[in-house]
Amino acid sequence: LAKTTQPISMDSYEGQEVNITCSHNNIATNDYITWYQQFPSQGPRFIIQGYKTKVTNEVASLFIPADRKSSTLSLPRVSLSDTAVYYCLVGSNTGGFKTIFGAGTRLFVKA
Amino acid sequence: DSGVTQTPKHLITATGQRVTLRCSPRSGDLSVYWYQQSLDQGLQFLIQYYNGEERAKGNILERFSAQQFPDLHSELNLSSLELGDSALYFCASSVRLNSPLHFGNGTRLTVT
Repeated sequence: LAKTTQPISMDSYEGQEVNITCSHNNIATNDYITWYQQFPSQGPRFIIQGYKTKVTNEVASLFIPADRKSSTLSLPRVSLSDTAVYYCLVGSNTGGFKTIFGAGTRLFVKA
Repeated sequence: DSGVTQTPKHLITATGQRVTLRCSPRSGDLSVYWYQQSLDQGLQFLIQYYNGEERAKGNILERFSAQQFPDLHSELNLSSLELGDSALYFCASSVRLNSPLHFGNGTRLTVT
């Protein structure tokens, strides 16, 4: 099971683009990369998932380099409501699937 | 709304007691996951079921047990409760083992 490393916290201002990088040096061939957002006292919410290169949806983009040892979640033009904890997860369905959350990155968006 | 329903929302009980938390997954989702989140702590994976069978186990205490029923709803049983078991308990579901998880709003357990 690949272990992930993320910054503990980040600060940003409204309207800026925020990039949160996650390191997963031991990622396996079958592993996917998934990002979640969590507000206090709420369950995490799925943001985006990818395997390689770039994935984009209506709320974020996910950049994965060729070696897949890291990934970057990009949030365009953040607002105060994007203040939350962001988790990067790596996992697959081989050898028993466990979805292990790390400590996450606390993003604080200021006005 | 994620489509995952957890009941009850809040539960207050005394040490030594036993409680049951219930989770109804999203329609069509076969896999159910249970997580524990203590105050200002990360999400601790407890256990996962897929189509009625236990698929993966995390750091779940022996005092805790779970099952997934034929209609795919799941229950997490917590017994001999201790003060340290006070936490938010989340259930999540996914359609396949590698699919994104969809979380419920959690059950807040307070042990006094």
